[in-house]
Amino acid sequence: QVQLVQSGAEVKKPGSSVKVSCKASGGTFSSYAINWVRQAPGQGLEWMGGIIPMFGKANYAQKFQGRVTITTDESTSTAYMELSSLRSEDTAVYYCARGSLYGSYFSPFTYWGQGTLVTVSS
Amino acid sequence: EIVLTQSPGTLSLSPGERATLSCRASQGVSSSYLAWYQQKPGQAPRLLIYGASSRATGIPDRFSGSGSGTDFTLTISRLEPEDFAVYYCQQYGSSPTFGGGTKVEIK
Repeated sequence: QVQLVQSGAEVKKPGSSVKVSCKASGGTFSSYAINWVRQAPGQGLEWMGGIIPMFGKANYAQKFQGRVTITTDESTSTAYMELSSLRSEDTAVYYCARGSLYGSYFSPFTYWGQGTLVTVSS
Repeated sequence: EIVLTQSPGTLSLSPGERATLSCRASQGVSSSYLAWYQQKPGQAPRLLIYGASSRATGIPDRFSGSGSGTDFTLTISRLEPEDFAVYYCQQYGSSPTFGGGTKVEIK
């Protein structure tokens, strides 16, 4: 049974950075894509980027290129998403979501974390 | 980037009725890399359908998906009270994108 447990809510100032973690249990961590998806209040879902730990190189949505960094720590089965230069529009719930196709980015998002609320406010 | 347009924005139906949700892509979706998710308030999305028509594990057979290329449909044959929620389509080819969502509400 795959479970993804995310870190707790954050309140950040504009211009600062936030780093959200996603700890996986069950299954093989390194072989499946971990994606990050955000949802602004009352809005839809937006893919930010993803990584397959055993390959190491992350892919990012063009909108977030240069501002988001996705990394993993295979020793703790944890993925991280760091977003910099925060602005009020980044206030959202951030989800990690894992694929179910071995070694492939082309996989539906089968397992989801519980979400982490990031509030950006002065 | 593939843009997904969902319609209608809101669907008002009664329990027991049939729901038909549409998802149109701005260009062809490769190898039917098309999924549907259900999201209830305060919860993470849940995968319902992948590969355009395959049900995810544990999903009741009243949910079905169809379509290919640029036009896809999610059908809920008979709405149960727990089915009232927001539904999103997603293409998970290169650079995944989501549609804007369809809210299925109780009439």
